[in-house]
Amino acid sequence: EIVLAQSPGTLSLSPGERATLSCRASQSVRSNYLAWYQQRLGQAPRLLIYGASIRATGIPDRFSGSGSGTDFTLTISRLEPEDFAVYFCQHYVSAPYTFGQGTKLEIK
Amino acid sequence: QVQLVESGGGVVQPGRSLRLSCKTSGFTFRDYGMYWVRRAPGKGLEWVAIIHFEGKNMYYGDAVKGRFTISRDISKSTLYLQMDRLRADDTALYYCARAGIPGTACIDYWGQGTLVTVSS
Repeated sequence: EIVLAQSPGTLSLSPGERATLSCRASQSVRSNYLAWYQQRLGQAPRLLIYGASIRATGIPDRFSGSGSGTDFTLTISRLEPEDFAVYFCQHYVSAPYTFGQGTKLEIK
Repeated sequence: QVQLVESGGGVVQPGRSLRLSCKTSGFTFRDYGMYWVRRAPGKGLEWVAIIHFEGKNMYYGDAVKGRFTISRDISKSTLYLQMDRLRADDTALYYCARAGIPGTACIDYWGQGTLVTVSS
């Protein structure tokens, strides 16, 4: 089973700043089958990034994903007010399709 | 457009059963794998179950294995989750989701969720 550990648990930043979120896997994620999701309060999750670095349809280019193997990063270049939310990573290599515990991005 | 609409949630006593439904539209249901994912109060997302696109392979998270059953009705474009022997720690918002990135089990669309509360 691949266990995903996200850090930090909470990130406090101001609009316009850069956010860097980490997702570390307990073993190598084959084919970079790693996705990032955003969940705003009271809303369903939304796919941001898949294949570790491919932006999903309609996702602004201030969101970018990078990494391979066991270390992955989601970067938001300049935070907009609507970006303050919880972010989850998930691998989709094979069952169990585990999620990280999430990073809460809050306004400083 | 792709739509996933969950229903069937509610308040149920421990040990009882509940069946969730997810009515889909806007895509060819039989061609996609489908997930159930939940989020308990104050917790993160937890993968519950998946049925792969061919409809023959189903997998479950350890917390629900042996108690929950995922299934689908292609004629109704509907996904189900039969939940038996419910426990208090099954209390959560349950989402259905589509594994829509071609050739993978990556989720691309989510429903809005249905709330299940297990309480006496």
